[in-house]
Amino acid sequence: GAVVSQHPSRVICKSGTSVKIECRSLDFQATTMFWYRQFPKKSLMLMATSNEGSKATYEQGVEKDKFLINHASLTLSTLTVTSAHPEDSSFYICSARDRTGPGELFFGEGSRLTVL
Amino acid sequence: KNQVEQSPQSLIILEGKNCTLQCNYTVSPFSNLRWYKQDTGRGPVSLTIMTFSENTKSNGRYTATLDADTKQSSLHITASQLSDSASYICVVSGWMDSSYKLIFGSGTRLLVRP
Repeated sequence: GAVVSQHPSRVICKSGTSVKIECRSLDFQATTMFWYRQFPKKSLMLMATSNEGSKATYEQGVEKDKFLINHASLTLSTLTVTSAHPEDSSFYICSARDRTGPGELFFGEGSRLTVL
Repeated sequence: KNQVEQSPQSLIILEGKNCTLQCNYTVSPFSNLRWYKQDTGRGPVSLTIMTFSENTKSNGRYTATLDADTKQSSLHITASQLSDSASYICVVSGWMDSSYKLIFGSGTRLLVRP
């Protein structure tokens, strides 16, 4: 079946550094990818919608200068957490929508970010 | 306002029993409805996807139903197993304000006990 690969799965960084998370659709093309944040025992919170070749659309309350999203190709989107702080520690998940058929949505395995 | 509401918020059942999770939505116009299973610390995995013309869809022991008139969906789990313990998320999509949007329910946390 379709696979969405997220990398890295875990990352620990120092406060003030920037971290990049990649989201790749491995066997399908995705014109639209989504980035989510999830706190323990809470539901997924949509951060932004990433469209290939255009600027991402951010949800209300999400700082676009803090969370930089790039969707350079039909199979790759990246999320960069800039100048990370401990409160940015969270589980970040991406999903990709297959551009063919009913547009099924596939999720990555998530990336756990810990900012010290 | 486009919303997706799931119930119950959490559920505990004994292994081998059946259960039904509910999803009510007000998203309009409606495109499709998805059910996902999310294990702790993992990404959600698709169980079913249904368009407005589909009433039921099965995936093994999981059966989803959809009533587009009442805007209700349910996910029925038959003969539950310990591995069914997870969060189940209902996601409704549609074209709103000229863009494709996904509205997530807050999920139902299911715990299956031996």
